[in-house]
Order: sequence, then structure tokens, then C-alpha cells
Amino acid sequence: QKEVEQNSGPLSVPEGAIASLNCTYSDRVSQSFFWYRQYSGKSPELIMSIYSNGDKEDGRFTAQLNKASQYVSLLIRDSQPSDSATYLCAALWNFNKFYFGSGTKLNVKP
Amino acid sequence: GAVVSQHPSWVICKSGTSVKIECRSLDFQATTMFWYRQFPKQSLMLMATSNEGSKATYEQGVEKDKFLINHASLTLSTLTVTSAHPEDSSFYICSARDWGAGGELFFGEGSRLTVL
Repeated sequence: QKEVEQNSGPLSVPEGAIASLNCTYSDRVSQSFFWYRQYSGKSPELIMSIYSNGDKEDGRFTAQLNKASQYVSLLIRDSQPSDSATYLCAALWNFNKFYFGSGTKLNVKP
Repeated sequence: GAVVSQHPSWVICKSGTSVKIECRSLDFQATTMFWYRQFPKQSLMLMATSNEGSKATYEQGVEKDKFLINHASLTLSTLTVTSAHPEDSSFYICSARDWGAGGELFFGEGSRLTVL
């Protein structure tokens, strides 16, 4: 499988701070990237997608993509305790296969 | 986002029996669905791609005779774990792409299988 790598964490941030989650991928063919949030015992839910170099903002979330460095990140502003979860980075390969990183566990402390 | 429904959410079975898990796209048609497996504290591992009206495509290392996949219609795919053993105990999650929503991937609720 194509490799998508994430730091497993846990990443701990205080409430109200910015959480920065990072992901690298090994396959230059991958062109589309996605961030999912997964609460313990639940299935992943889509946060946002990014296809082009640069930043994409959606509410408190900003995804950043740098294809030259094969790097994608997710910033969460004004972090809330309810943001505590595992965040999965995914890359789309061959137009129809999604490969996932191992996830980064985020803890937002009240 | 698009709705993908999976059933059952929990299933406990005896070793040697077979278990069927259903995955339905409720508000869109899905010619392709994906089945993932997730062990505790591990990432999602793609098991197979389910194709409506044709055979599923299995990832390397996944036994197609053990994990039977049938994509009977544009809204239904099933995964049958045959002759289940305790090592098959896992969280099985189906997903589908909603092309009406830009082709993003949406997940069902997941099915937690425990084989005794």
C-alpha cells in the first residue's frame, strides 16, 4: 500500500490554542488529500479535503498542502475539548483508492 | 455529507460460523464501495474494493474466499466473514464515494465483530 505517515501523538494543547497536525505521503501520484476525525469506537468523519497547493480554510479548520515536500497539515484554531479525537490523514491514489495514516491522537485540555 | 449506513453495529459469533455485514448508501448511488478493517489503536486497512455488478478487487494479503463481498445493487454491498476465528475480531467499516459531493469518501458507522 502507498504510505501515509503521521505522528501518533498524543498531541496535547490547552483549550483555545491552535493544534497543528502533520502528515507526509510517499507517492507523488497522490493528488487529493483528506482529513478525517475519529472518536474512540466510532467510524471516521470527513473534516475537509484539499487538492491544490496552499491553504484551504473551513471554519476553525485550515488544511495546508505542499506537493513539492509531499506534506499536508491540518490546523485547528480555538481548540475545544470536543476536538479531542484521533485525526486521520488520507491520500487518494489511482483516482479510486484511499490510503490512511495511522492517525494522530489530539487531547485538548480544558 | 452523504449518508452510508452499516448493519449490524455489533455482532458476536462463535468460532467457525459466518457473519454478514451490510453497507448501504442511503441518499446516493455508489458503483464502488470500500471495505476497511481497523484493529485497536491501528489505522484503517483497505481490504477490498466492491464493484457493482462485478467481482470485488482485494488488497494483497486479504483472503477473498474468507471475506466474501457482494455488490448486488447501486446502494448495497455486503461483506461476509466466513468460518470466522477469534483473529478476525475487528472493527469493519464500509465506505463509498459520493460523486454528487465531489467524490469525497464517506464512512458507515462500522461493525464491531467479536468471535468467541
